[in-house]
Amino acid sequence: ETGVTQTPRHLVMGMTNKKSLKCEQHLGHNAMYWYKQSAKKPLELMFVYSLEERVENNSVPSRFSPECPNSSHLFLHLHTLQPEDSALYLCASSQVVAVSSYEQYFGPGTRLTVT
Amino acid sequence: QKEVEQNSGPLSVPEGAIASLNCTYSDRGSQSFFWYRQYSGKSPELIMFIYSNGDKEDGRFTAQLNKASQYVSLLIRDSQPSDSATYLCAVNDDYKLSFGAGTTVTVRA
Repeated sequence: ETGVTQTPRHLVMGMTNKKSLKCEQHLGHNAMYWYKQSAKKPLELMFVYSLEERVENNSVPSRFSPECPNSSHLFLHLHTLQPEDSALYLCASSQVVAVSSYEQYFGPGTRLTVT
Repeated sequence: QKEVEQNSGPLSVPEGAIASLNCTYSDRGSQSFFWYRQYSGKSPELIMFIYSNGDKEDGRFTAQLNKASQYVSLLIRDSQPSDSATYLCAVNDDYKLSFGAGTTVTVRA
């Protein structure tokens, strides 16, 4: 296990449901990230928070809504998802110094299935 | 976003052999380079990072960096079946990392 935890580990939801993914890092880092990884596809960066401020939003549909209440916690709120949103959702954290990122550490991921 | 290119593989090597993975990157100003291992259905795990030209060794893993050629590689010596995974190359890109698509390695017993 790493210093980044994610809950839940598995989630099945209908297209009309609302759910939230939670990420917590215990590494004292100042930046957190959400990635999406679909089957046999590369990592897709969704959101970046640095010092609790959202610094990147890679054209992600509005049905995904991130929240970063402090430097240790990150949420991804989900609503009215589509079946193509089924994927592994990964959270990561890193230390950013002078707009330069050091290594990122990943949580175990949430396997999301949209029915 | 910086481009990071890797051969997708699969790279098949016999047990005990050396697996050699390559990665090229587009931004000559990149400073930090990382290798991650990802088992099927699991999250990426950091195995090596390198900042300076030359070689860096950690156990059976050696990372090699050549900034002039914009090339970073990973050697896995004495490959084991447990090394079968996808290996991701990453390069720092301001406050984030740019990842390659990964090279799948299969070590056959």
